[in-house]
Amino acid sequence: DQQVKQNSPSLSVQEGRISILNCDYTNSMFDYFLWYKKYPAEGPTFLISISSIKDKNEDGRFTVFLNKSAKHLSLHIVPSQPGDSAVYFCAAGSAGSSNTGKLIFGQGTTLQVKP
Amino acid sequence: NAGVMQNPRHLVRRRGQEARLRCSPMKGHSHVYWYRQLPEEGLKFMVYLQKENIIDESGMPKERFSAEFPKEGPSILRIQQVVRGDSAAYFCASSPVTRTGGFGTEAFFGQGTRLTVV
Repeated sequence: DQQVKQNSPSLSVQEGRISILNCDYTNSMFDYFLWYKKYPAEGPTFLISISSIKDKNEDGRFTVFLNKSAKHLSLHIVPSQPGDSAVYFCAAGSAGSSNTGKLIFGQGTTLQVKP
Repeated sequence: NAGVMQNPRHLVRRRGQEARLRCSPMKGHSHVYWYRQLPEEGLKFMVYLQKENIIDESGMPKERFSAEFPKEGPSILRIQQVVRGDSAAYFCASSPVTRTGGFGTEAFFGQGTRLTVV
C-alpha cells in the first residue's frame, strides 16, 4: 500500500528554468509533508516542509504547494541550477498524541538540470 | 547532516552471517530512527528508538531483525542470518525531541550503510 507516490521517476530541465516535482498521497490523516534531497552515496537532506493547514511555503528558490482536496503536493525550484541535480523524495507524517515522527516516503524523482 | 555517524559505510556479508550496523546520533539527540532503502525504492521506516526503549517497531520484519539504543554507545541495527533480499541501504536519522506537528527540520540523516549480501 503505497501511501505516498511520486509517479515520475525522472525529470530533466534546462538550467535557469523551473523544475516541478510532483507527489500524491492517499492518507488524509497526514499532517505535514516534507521534501528531501539526496545525492548518490549520501543520506537525505531536509529541503522544505509544509503543514497541512497551509497551501504554500517558500524558502528561497524552493516553494512547496499543497492541494489537500486533490491530495497532491509539488515542489517548485526556480531557477534550477546544475547543483540541484539529485534524487528528490517527498515524505509525509502524522501529528497528534500517537506521533512517533516516522515518515512515509515516496519512491523518489531523479532531477537532472542541464547546463 | 554530517553529525549523524553511521558505520560501516559499506558492509559485505555472506548468506547466513550476521550484520551489525551502528548509528551515533548527533550530540544532544536522544531519538533515533532507522530506515531501509531497497534498490529503486524510497526509504521505508523500520524502527524508532529512544535511549533504552523501542518506541515504534512497526516497520521491522518479524524475524531476524532487532534494534537497540543503549544508555551508552551507539544505536545498533542487527540482522541475523542475512539473505540476499536484505541487501539495501540502511539509514539512521536522529532528532532531539519528537514534537507533535512534526519531524521536520529537527531530524538529520546519516550517510547510510550499504549492505551487500553475497
